[in-house]
Amino acid sequence: DIQMTQSPSSLSASIRGRVTITCRASQNIRTNLNWYQQQSGKAPKLLVYAASTLQSGVPPRFSGSGSGTDFTLTISALQPDDFATYYCQQSYTAPYSFGQGTKVEIK
Amino acid sequence: QVQLVETGGGVVQPGMSLRLSCAATGFAFNTYSMHWVRQAPGKGLEWLALITYDGKEKFYSESLRGRFTISRANPKKIVYLDMSRLTAEDTAVYYCAREERFRSVYYLDLWGQGSLVTVSS
Repeated sequence: DIQMTQSPSSLSASIRGRVTITCRASQNIRTNLNWYQQQSGKAPKLLVYAASTLQSGVPPRFSGSGSGTDFTLTISALQPDDFATYYCQQSYTAPYSFGQGTKVEIK
Repeated sequence: QVQLVETGGGVVQPGMSLRLSCAATGFAFNTYSMHWVRQAPGKGLEWLALITYDGKEKFYSESLRGRFTISRANPKKIVYLDMSRLTAEDTAVYYCAREERFRSVYYLDLWGQGSLVTVSS
């Protein structure tokens, strides 16, 4: 099975600040990497798919990059709605494993 | 309205079985593969199972050890998760999700609101 490792597990940032979350796969997954946002008490929401393609309706302050084993989600100019937990997921092969999550909190 | 609605959660005793249902509306259900994902209290997301659009292929997390079965009824637009030999470790919110595809990359673009399963005596 492919293991997904996110870092950091949590971070604090200020409104209008910039955040970078890293996700590493245990083997080459090409660009089969997706990012989800989960706000407290809600279902996950798709942000980025295929490593760098923004889902329709997602603000352009979110961006994804990477291929192979190393991926990054960047949030520029943090807004109050962005304080949430973020998960990466590989869809290269089943089981479609998630990273352990990164909680973004207000500084 | 395009949505997924899970039902069937509740409190169940250890060792018992439970069936979750996920009803789809507003899209061509029989053309989409479907997934189940769960989240234990205070924990991260755990992928559980996938069923292809026609029900012919199914994939599972090895951690389930054969206790869970995914199925679907396309005329009813429902996907099911049958869970057996439940333990306290299965206590979680269970989500169903729709799989979309972009070129050769798959992703979960539509999620239900979740159904809470509590395993307790």
